[in-house]
Amino acid sequence: GEDVEQSLFLSVREGDSSVINCTYTDSSSTYLYWYKQEPGAGLQLLTYIFSNMDMKQDQRLTVLLNKKDKHLSLRIADTQTGDSAIYFCAENSNQGGKLIFGQGTELSVKP
Amino acid sequence: ETGVTQSPTHLIKTRGQQVTLRCSSQSGHNTVSWYQQALGQGPQFIFQYYREEENGRGNFPPRFSGLQFPNYSSELNVNALELDDSALYLCASSYGLAVTNTGELFFGEGSRLTVL
Repeated sequence: GEDVEQSLFLSVREGDSSVINCTYTDSSSTYLYWYKQEPGAGLQLLTYIFSNMDMKQDQRLTVLLNKKDKHLSLRIADTQTGDSAIYFCAENSNQGGKLIFGQGTELSVKP
Repeated sequence: ETGVTQSPTHLIKTRGQQVTLRCSSQSGHNTVSWYQQALGQGPQFIFQYYREEENGRGNFPPRFSGLQFPNYSSELNVNALELDDSALYLCASSYGLAVTNTGELFFGEGSRLTVL
């Protein structure tokens, strides 16, 4: 079946690195995504990784993909209070453009 | 370039009523997807429209229906509302189909539906 799982909460201090983890089940996914949702807002795409890559870096963001273990992580370097939000991991499905989202990880950044 | 816009932003209905939510896709996009996000959950795929045809559907009953218009805007209709339909309904637009590109979705800010 299709399932994406994430831990629900993460709390870090400003300036530290944050690592948000995700596991997925559909090994045929072509792309995996990280979305950010701030309170009262829609989802904003942060980054994505193609399934044949192990790592992707984009400024403060580093995505690691372990396809064997079906494990995806998002590392945010030098985390700021403005990074406080809910982060969703998602995989694409072969079914009609569907994205399968995890439950979201609420990141709290303390000054 | 305008982003994805949704209306209304908030609405309250009672059980058994019907609701229509609207979405204008981002300029240049021809694909619209609808998601339901219950409180504390991730978005769940309802369906997708590509060039006015339904291209895929999630595990939602037939009382959830949609339309896409020639200008690629879209509507989500829900009949016979139930309490569990209370959620944030998100519209997302993209260009083409996910199998041919990165599948990146551009989301609107959502319509928050409360069913009493």
